[in-house]
This record gives sequence, C-alpha cells and structure tokens, in this order.
Amino acid sequence: QVQLQESGQGLVKPSETLSLTCTVSGASISSGGHFWGWVRQRPGKGLEWIGYIYYTGTSYYNPSLKSRVSISVDPSENEFSLNVRSVTAEDTAIYYCARRFEQLPANYFDYWGRGAVVTVSS
Amino acid sequence: QSVLTQPPSVSAAPGQKVTISCSGSASNLGNFYVSWYQRLPGAAPKLLIYNNNKRPSGIPDRFSGSRSGTSATLDITGLQTGDEADYYCGTWDSSLSGVVFGGGTKVTVL
Repeated sequence: QVQLQESGQGLVKPSETLSLTCTVSGASISSGGHFWGWVRQRPGKGLEWIGYIYYTGTSYYNPSLKSRVSISVDPSENEFSLNVRSVTAEDTAIYYCARRFEQLPANYFDYWGRGAVVTVSS
Repeated sequence: QSVLTQPPSVSAAPGQKVTISCSGSASNLGNFYVSWYQRLPGAAPKLLIYNNNKRPSGIPDRFSGSRSGTSATLDITGLQTGDEADYYCGTWDSSLSGVVFGGGTKVTVL
C-alpha cells in the first residue's frame, strides 16, 4: 500500500520560508509513471494545487504561486520537498502531499498524505 | 473563486441519493477527465472516482460518476452517516496550465 507522510515546520514567521518534506513508502519515486505533488487547503477554502515533480526533477507549478514555490525530489531517500518563500498569513493552511497520475486527458491524485498543519504567525 | 463550480452543500436522509454537480468549461471538463475526492472530517482527501467514472479498489459502487460536455456529476446512493464529508471535483485546465479543483460540497445526512 502506498503511503505518504508529511513532516516539517508547524509554525513559520511572516516573510520566512516554509519547508515541508514528504516521505513515500510502498512505492518508489524513481520507478516513474507518476508525479509527486503538493496541494493545500486554507481555512474555509477549497483545495488548491501547488505543484508537482517527476523523479527526474522536472517540475510544474501553479502559476499563481510559481514565483515563491519550489519543489525538489530526492529519489535516493524516496522523498520530495516543498519550499514556499516570503510567506504571509495567507499561506496558513493544511498542506497535503500526494501522488499524481497524468496522461492527459486522464489526470488524478490517487494517494494522499494525512496533511501537515502550517501556521504563519509572528 | 474556484475554476470548477460546485454547490456548497447538499443533504438527504439515510438511504436516499444525493447528486453533486461540478461545472466547468471547454478548457477543463470539456476536454479532460474528472476525478472526485472525499475528505472526511480531520482526514486526508481520498480518491473516489477517476477518469470520469472509474472507482479505485475498495470504493463501494454506491459512489458513481459521470461527465458530459463541460459538466460532471457524482452520485451517492444508499446514503450513510459515514458519508458526511466534503467532496471535491478536480481536473486539468489547459488555459491555466494547471490542476483545478471545485470549491467543495458538504454532504449532510439528515
């Protein structure tokens, strides 16, 4: 069974960088065939796609967040990471990591982590 | 404002049926498959439907999906109290070059 687990800071100060890591078990990131991504849910809002990455390092980002976001992958550790720079209170959210299948027109997230609560506050 | 439009809430009595709509445009649902996710309170989202109408292993056939034109629907029959959750539709959008989701629909079992 594929499992994903987020880890990282729960509290980040405004203007600093939010960093989260997702550790994958039950599947190998380097086997290919899937992307590995991040989705967040801000308080009272719906799901918002942040971005995803392939094991080769090729990444894709939400245009509205692209200037502040970077996703990296470490196939040797079977994990991938998210950095969000210059955070504000608007970045307070539950951050989910998830595995993505994409062969357009087919596209979906099939496995999700339990989520990491991140609060931006001084 | 989400790219895909869902009703904020739907409700029905146990055993009844609810239908959740997801409305989009040619750049998303008009050309790409829809997926549906269930988020139980305090839990991670779970894939319910993929490729418009396919159920992952373990998802009961009480959940069914369809897509037509620029809209999609999720039906839940034989409603149970354990189905109380938020439901989201999602797909790719070629104009935005990204993944888009609906705003979510809260299902309440009366």
